Amino acid sequence: GAGVSQSPSNKVTEKGKDVELRCDPISGHTALYWYRQSLGQGLEFLIYFQGNSAPDKSGLPSDRFSAERTGGSVSTLTIQRTQQEDSAVYLCASSLVQGSYEQYFGPGTRLTVT
Amino acid sequence: GESVGLHLPTLSVQEGDNSIINCAYSNSASDYFIWYKQESGKGPQFIIDIRSNMDKRQGQRVTVLLNKTVKHLSLQIAATQPGDSAVYFCAENGSSNTGKLIFGQGTTLQVKP
Repeated sequence: GAGVSQSPSNKVTEKGKDVELRCDPISGHTALYWYRQSLGQGLEFLIYFQGNSAPDKSGLPSDRFSAERTGGSVSTLTIQRTQQEDSAVYLCASSLVQGSYEQYFGPGTRLTVT
Repeated sequence: GESVGLHLPTLSVQEGDNSIINCAYSNSASDYFIWYKQESGKGPQFIIDIRSNMDKRQGQRVTVLLNKTVKHLSLQIAATQPGDSAVYFCAENGSSNTGKLIFGQGTTLQVKP
């Protein structure tokens, strides 16, 4: 079946511009996660959605970062006024149920801020 | 603060040999640990997990060992193959029971033919 998909696969933007990254989770998965992976680093948790509950935003690095999940499915991560340190691979993952650690990851969006 | 770290950033092994990838964690509240494999240009892929009430768990060609006394986790890969070449991450759940994971920096496994 279809896995987690993300778009775009690559995004190059100028400093100060806003960007939107999209994630389509696996159909039926109720939990959705966003992570950031800087070059040569591990994954840094950003935000977590579970069903209709309020999202866990504890990992968002600044108020320039926001995310939403519409209809319990597709999610969009928005970064406003991008800065060079925002350059990274942004990974989305979904899991079947809340509290499941078996997360299925998408291929990521590589963001480069020039 | 919470952290999960790896002892070696790069591991090079001969094809057919066994590989051991190590990981240290610092949060004693963690009761769930998981290993992911990430190939170039792809997202991480689940390999194997273990709960804190276990010391060892085996999968197909992989074994995870957990030593809670010294907060150490290892991934053993038997008869390493070229397709095993990737970055391997360990992760822990910290104080969370929502599925949020704390990842280590990763170990690159290089398999020489």
